[in-house]
Amino acid sequence: DAGVIQSPRHEVTEMGQEVTLRCKPISGHNSLFWYRQTMMRGLELLIYFNNNVPIDDSGMPEDRFSAKMPNASFSTLKIQPSEPRDSAVYFCASSLHDYNEQFFGPGTRLTVL
Amino acid sequence: RKEVEQDPGPFNVPEGATVAFNCTYSNSASQSFFWYRQDCRKEPKLLMSVYSSGNEDGRFTAQLNRASQYISLLIRDSKLSDSATYLCVVTGGYQKVTFGTGTKLQVIP
Repeated sequence: DAGVIQSPRHEVTEMGQEVTLRCKPISGHNSLFWYRQTMMRGLELLIYFNNNVPIDDSGMPEDRFSAKMPNASFSTLKIQPSEPRDSAVYFCASSLHDYNEQFFGPGTRLTVL
Repeated sequence: RKEVEQDPGPFNVPEGATVAFNCTYSNSASQSFFWYRQDCRKEPKLLMSVYSSGNEDGRFTAQLNRASQYISLLIRDSKLSDSATYLCVVTGGYQKVTFGTGTKLQVIP
């Protein structure tokens, strides 16, 4: 299995631009998680899905952030408009069920200038 | 009080030493517990699950103390390759997943 796939691996953009991060979970996994990691705040859960349905989005910082999971093999995290404080590493993870071990993708390193 | 707390360290230990980390959690309804390892600029990877009866995997031992609401990780005979950040993970009563901020370990030759 290829593991969790994320794209792009690196993204540099200017403030105000739209950013879309993509994730392909491990086939057969029912839960998908989006995290953000910074030095100051550590690893924060933004949102997670069970069977493509958003279960907990309480970690989404504000309305500029949105996430979708149109099918079992694809999810996006969108930031519109982006701001410099959004600069971080964004990880996607999947698990068989939401209480099982999670497998992380390599992350997307986002820099907003 | 934070939901999950860890001593950020760094813990600087010589090769061959034994080192232990603790992680406390606030939600008594928490159900699942894990230790992850994260290398610099890499994604977190599962090190081991933590079972109520405690579990061991080679040089690593994990334990759960529900009464005091903490989990622990013991590393024996530390290797240089053990240098990393160790994250504890707690899954709460409503399956909310919370990561600790991590404990940094540096094993010194």
